[in-house]
Amino acid sequence: NAGVTQTPKFQVLKTGQSMTLQCAQDMNHNSMYWYRQDPGMGLRLIYYSASEGTTDKGEVPNGYNVSRLNKREFSLRLESAAPSQTSVYFCASSEADAGNEKLFFGSGTQLSVL
Amino acid sequence: GQQLNQSPQSMFIQEGEDVSMNCTSSSIFNTWLWYKQDPGEGPVLLIALYKAGELTSNGRLTAQFGITRKDSFLNISASIPSDVGIYFCAGPTPYNNNDMRFGAGTRLTVKP
Repeated sequence: NAGVTQTPKFQVLKTGQSMTLQCAQDMNHNSMYWYRQDPGMGLRLIYYSASEGTTDKGEVPNGYNVSRLNKREFSLRLESAAPSQTSVYFCASSEADAGNEKLFFGSGTQLSVL
Repeated sequence: GQQLNQSPQSMFIQEGEDVSMNCTSSSIFNTWLWYKQDPGEGPVLLIALYKAGELTSNGRLTAQFGITRKDSFLNISASIPSDVGIYFCAGPTPYNNNDMRFGAGTRLTVKP
């Protein structure tokens, strides 16, 4: 099993450009997440999808949009990238039931916005 | 809010030494999780704690869920070079299992 696969691994954008980060999981999980990781700040939740067809804001949603395309795929879009969005982005999935909150993470996308 | 304060920020230890790190919050958590992140990878779950006072081990790792439900600690015994990485505490907010909060991490360096 591949687990959680996210692409691309690295990306450099100019301010104002747009891009979509792709994520897919093959564990049949209901819930999927996008986090960003900045030095000294741990991981912060951007958006999540508790089930196919639903999405909700996390701690830091501004400047991002998401799409839960189907149960497997959850994409993150930056419509107009800003330098403050330079970060490492992680996709994750889980069952999110009480007692089963284990998150499975992808290997990350390192994004630089110049 | 549901913020997690993790300490220390970094540790430099000699191979074979024991390590202790902790996590505190001003709010109650009903579940505490400890993750490890290797360079260039996403975090991987090490230990999950579900009951106040619970002490759980996973090999050389031991974690405890504080009685007040506002803290947790992780111990690593007899450290080895592959223990190098960033250790995160985490927990879902009590009102939303999907809203997982993370501490800022403890970066561990092990000198052979």
